[in-house]
Amino acid sequence: DTEVTQTPKHLVMGMTNKKSLKCEQHMGHRAMYWYKQKAKKPPELMFVYSYEKLSINESVPSRFSPECPNSSLLNLHLHALQPEDSALYLCASSQGERTYEQYFGPGTRLTVT
Amino acid sequence: AQKVTQAQTEISVVEKEDVTLDCVYETRDTTYYLFWYKQPPSGELVFLIRRNSFDEQNEISGRYSWNFQKSTSSFNFTITASQVVDSAVYFCALRGAYSGAGSYQLTFGKGTKLSVIP
Repeated sequence: DTEVTQTPKHLVMGMTNKKSLKCEQHMGHRAMYWYKQKAKKPPELMFVYSYEKLSINESVPSRFSPECPNSSLLNLHLHALQPEDSALYLCASSQGERTYEQYFGPGTRLTVT
Repeated sequence: AQKVTQAQTEISVVEKEDVTLDCVYETRDTTYYLFWYKQPPSGELVFLIRRNSFDEQNEISGRYSWNFQKSTSSFNFTITASQVVDSAVYFCALRGAYSGAGSYQLTFGKGTKLSVIP
């Protein structure tokens, strides 16, 4: 079962709000990823967790804060976002860093007002 | 540096027509991996196929087929007898062999939007 779930599906937040995006997988995968996708663009990698440790941070602003509480869960904490942060946020997982297929969740459509 | 080019931005076909989505890649790696993903309007990227650089066999899966040609650095995707459910954005992606943290980044093409008209 190749399923990655994400909540919420849609999120509208003001620039002073604090919110969190959640991602969960039960495939036993040990690498998890956050991507940001703007309209009509390909996904852009934000963060990579490997064995619950942050492996890659692609120069993402500190208003985005990832967290990996355990091997099945990945959170993205949002604070003081800007309107240009409005996008589709996709979570993905793979068996490990060396495993090549990444399986994506349905995404969270974020609108910052 | 790696690069993936999907020259077709948008394609429209009538249902039951065959359609080929082009993908051309650039890499200096001798070992690399190519992927196709489908993104329907719902947003989720659906993994379709991975092809390794050392395996040039073409692949067929139902109505889908993939043609990998190292000589032309192309990895094209053909849908036979297209259906309305095939309407989506299709991304071709590339990554190199694992060589430590950061080497597993997927380089995506810009995507091709396929519309299948009933």
